[in-house]
Amino acid sequence: DGGITQSPKYLFRKEGQNVTLSCEQNLNHDAMYWYRQDPGQGLRLIYYSQIVNDFQKGDIAEGYSVSREKKESFPLTVTSAQKNPTAFYLCASSNGQGAFNTEAFFGQGTRLTVV
Amino acid sequence: KQEVTQIPAALSVPEGENLVLNCSFTDSAIYNLQWFRQDPGKGLTSLLLIQSSQREQTSGRLNASLDKSSGRSTLYIAASQPGDSATYLCVTAGGYQKVTFGIGTKLQVIP
Repeated sequence: DGGITQSPKYLFRKEGQNVTLSCEQNLNHDAMYWYRQDPGQGLRLIYYSQIVNDFQKGDIAEGYSVSREKKESFPLTVTSAQKNPTAFYLCASSNGQGAFNTEAFFGQGTRLTVV
Repeated sequence: KQEVTQIPAALSVPEGENLVLNCSFTDSAIYNLQWFRQDPGKGLTSLLLIQSSQREQTSGRLNASLDKSSGRSTLYIAASQPGDSATYLCVTAGGYQKVTFGIGTKLQVIP
């Protein structure tokens, strides 16, 4: 089955620690995205990548980093510089020209909690 | 900056009712609008995608319309079922930095 897999489902981070969220897709999509979801707010864009070895900052990139070494993979690192990382993180992918120009697929999310 | 507003924020209906969810947006320069469903603690599932040149899309009991000039979209759900209970999100796309999500309408269908 084609889709997007995020892992882990739950993640706990200690103060000052970097953690990495995994996102893998087998849909052969060029574009991948990371979003953050907080209660009472719409999803906010952290980073996106249109093609391999290229990525761009979104609206709330501070304290986060990404890489896109393979088409299938777009991991997100939450660094210690991110002061309020507790949130639900969603990875997505789409194809075609332009963002979300075709049906967008989302992973099942990673819930990150600072302990 | 695009703003997407969804009304109502929450809706509770008895099973079998037909219902309408509303979405409004401030910038009509979009190339599509998508409706998603999100179950608690889960990711988003695309329901319908309407390109800017289209007026509506249908899938099963779902029908979505788009009126770009007035900045409105509606999602119509026919003969609602308890399995339809979820949060429904409206999303406009106008470029990589211009994908804007509404906060959603939380729907509960009571058996």
